[in-house]
Amino acid sequence: DQQVKQNSPSLSVQEGRISILNCDYTNSMFDYFLWYKKYPAEGPTFLISISSIKDKNEDGRFTVFLNKSAKHLSLHIVPSQPGDSAVYFCAASRRGTYKYIFGTGTRLKVLA
Amino acid sequence: NAGVTQTPKFQVLKTGQSMTLQCAQDMNHNSMYWYRQDPGMGLRLIYYSASEGTTDKGEVPNGYNVSRLNKREFSLRLESAAPSQTSVYFCASSNGAEGKGGYTFGSGTRLTVV
Repeated sequence: DQQVKQNSPSLSVQEGRISILNCDYTNSMFDYFLWYKKYPAEGPTFLISISSIKDKNEDGRFTVFLNKSAKHLSLHIVPSQPGDSAVYFCAASRRGTYKYIFGTGTRLKVLA
Repeated sequence: NAGVTQTPKFQVLKTGQSMTLQCAQDMNHNSMYWYRQDPGMGLRLIYYSASEGTTDKGEVPNGYNVSRLNKREFSLRLESAAPSQTSVYFCASSNGAEGKGGYTFGSGTRLTVV
C-alpha cells in the first residue's frame, strides 16, 4: 500500500508561470515532509522541508504548503525556469523511525 | 568534500551471481540508507542503519543483505542476483535528529541483471 502518493506522473508548464506539484499521504503519524529534485543520472537533492507544526514554508522561489486535515502537501515554484525541469519526489517521515517514505515522483518540464 | 560516494556506477550481472555495492560518506553522519528506484515506483527503502552497529529492514529487503562496516561505510550485498533486482540503487546518509533535515544521496549505481 502506497503511503505517499504523487498522482501526476508528469507536468508541463511555461517558463515564468507557476508550477504546482501535489502529494498525498495516508499515514496520519507522519510529521515531517520533504521535497527532493532529481536530474537524470544524478542522485536526488534536497529542496525544501516542512514540519507538521507548520502549514507553509518558503525558500526563494519554492514554497511548500501542508494541509494536515486533507493529508496533502504541495510544492509551488514561482516563477518556473527551464532549469527546474526534473523529477520531483515528496517524502514523509514519522518521528522516531529514522526513515523516509517516498512518493513515485512527478516529472516537471518547464517550456522556454 | 565528496559527500556520499557509491561504487560502482554501472554493473551488469548474470542471474545467480553475487556482488556488493559500496557506499561511503565523509560528513560524519550517523544514519545511512539504501534505496532502489524503479520506473513508476519511486524510491523504495531496502535497508537502513540508524547508527553505527545497527541495521534494519526497509520496505523491500528480500534478496539483500547489508553491513555497516563503520560510521563511514554501508554496503549492500546481493547474494544471488535476479532480473527483478535490475534497478538504480541509491545510498544516502543523514545526521538530522531522527532523520530531520533530509538525506544526502550518492549519484547511484545502475545495476542490470540478465
